[in-house]
Amino acid sequence: GESVGLHLPTLSVQEGDNSIINCAYSNSASDYFIWYKQESGKGPQFIIDIRSNMDKRQGQRVTVLLNKTVKHLSLQIAATQPGDSAVYFCAERLSGGSNYKLTFGKGTLLTVNP
Amino acid sequence: AAGVIQSPRHLIKEKRETATLKCYPIPRHDTVYWYQQGPGQDPQFLISFYEKMQSDKGSIPDRFSAQQFSDYHSELNMSSLELGDSALYFCASSSEGGSYGYTFGSGTRLTVV
Repeated sequence: GESVGLHLPTLSVQEGDNSIINCAYSNSASDYFIWYKQESGKGPQFIIDIRSNMDKRQGQRVTVLLNKTVKHLSLQIAATQPGDSAVYFCAERLSGGSNYKLTFGKGTLLTVNP
Repeated sequence: AAGVIQSPRHLIKEKRETATLKCYPIPRHDTVYWYQQGPGQDPQFLISFYEKMQSDKGSIPDRFSAQQFSDYHSELNMSSLELGDSALYFCASSSEGGSYGYTFGSGTRLTVV
């Protein structure tokens, strides 16, 4: 039978290229955003985070950009390597109150071709 | 460094059976979150506990219940299992409302047959 839900956005790049993965988040009141990498059958692994009072943050080979006006996040991976192949999720935390759950966006499957 | 520990890693159950998933958060983390992830889906929030009290509830079926114990470990109890409950179940923990990040466990893969 047909598998339901196996229609992730995909990005295919060549090894060494730069990758840009985009994410639209849902709540303008969210104050904290995280990018996670998830390999098949494993838990989400932290990549980089950014708070709402910033619009850019850099890590090792990764940069996150936040555009609050259009509720958009992007993850840039420099010199993409085969080991970067995975599903990437953005997640947002709603500010205020006492509930700090993360809400995940739709994942993007990144495939790096050697 | 200690991580979030989940057990079991894999679980196979028949329809209408019950299952119990366990989560051991990072020491000194005060909040535990449970997520369900179907094939090709993003993780969906189920329920969270702060200092052993339920703090938030998401799309968790009435057949599921959870609690956090005095040692901060948490258990997700699932009854009357259905085929659609087959998924990866993740636990995450945090402190200070997640201001220092959230750490996820490796998950429990539940297969209902």
